[in-house]
Amino acid sequence: DIQMTQSPSTLSASVGDRVAITCRASQSISTWLAWYQQKPGKAPKLLIYKASNLESGVPSRFSGSGSGTEFTLTINSLQPDDFATYFCQQYNTYSTFGQGTKVEIK
Amino acid sequence: QLQLQESGPGLVKPSETLSLTCTVSSGSIYNKNYYWGWIRQPPGKGLEWIGSIYYTGTTYYNPSLKSRVTISLDTSKNQFSLELRSVTAADTAVYYCARDGRLLYNYDYWGQGTLVTVSS
Repeated sequence: DIQMTQSPSTLSASVGDRVAITCRASQSISTWLAWYQQKPGKAPKLLIYKASNLESGVPSRFSGSGSGTEFTLTINSLQPDDFATYFCQQYNTYSTFGQGTKVEIK
Repeated sequence: QLQLQESGPGLVKPSETLSLTCTVSSGSIYNKNYYWGWIRQPPGKGLEWIGSIYYTGTTYYNPSLKSRVTISLDTSKNQFSLELRSVTAADTAVYYCARDGRLLYNYDYWGQGTLVTVSS
């Protein structure tokens, strides 16, 4: 099984900040990685696929980078709507999600 | 706009079978461009992929659940279903159905989720 480890588990930030969330895979997954945003009581929303491709309709302040085993989701100029939990997902071999990173208001 | 809606019992007894159905509206599940999947989330925890099905009926399952899971299609009703056998309290979770829009486990449309509790 491919394990996905996100850091940090919780991130405190203010509106306007630039934040970065890291996701590490236990083995190389090339660029087969997606990022999702989830708000309390709601289904996840796909933000990024294939490591760096922005899903249609997702604001351009979201970006993804990385390949192999290390990946980053960056949010430029954090907006009030961005306070949520973020999950990475590998799909190199079936699918596994990270444990999540909660972005909270500082 | 494509919509997915999960339905099924909210309470299942230990050792019994959990059965859920996902009804898809404003789009056909008989479509070569998509997989249809199930993902679950225990309360307060992360996401776990359960499995996916293609319009041909081909299925792909999480190896850790494979021995207990069956996903099936009913194209006449535009639905797909999940069966999880021999459940325990560890199977208590919100269960989501979702569409994989790129045949790559990228889930772009989700149902609202349904909480299933395993308890006697």
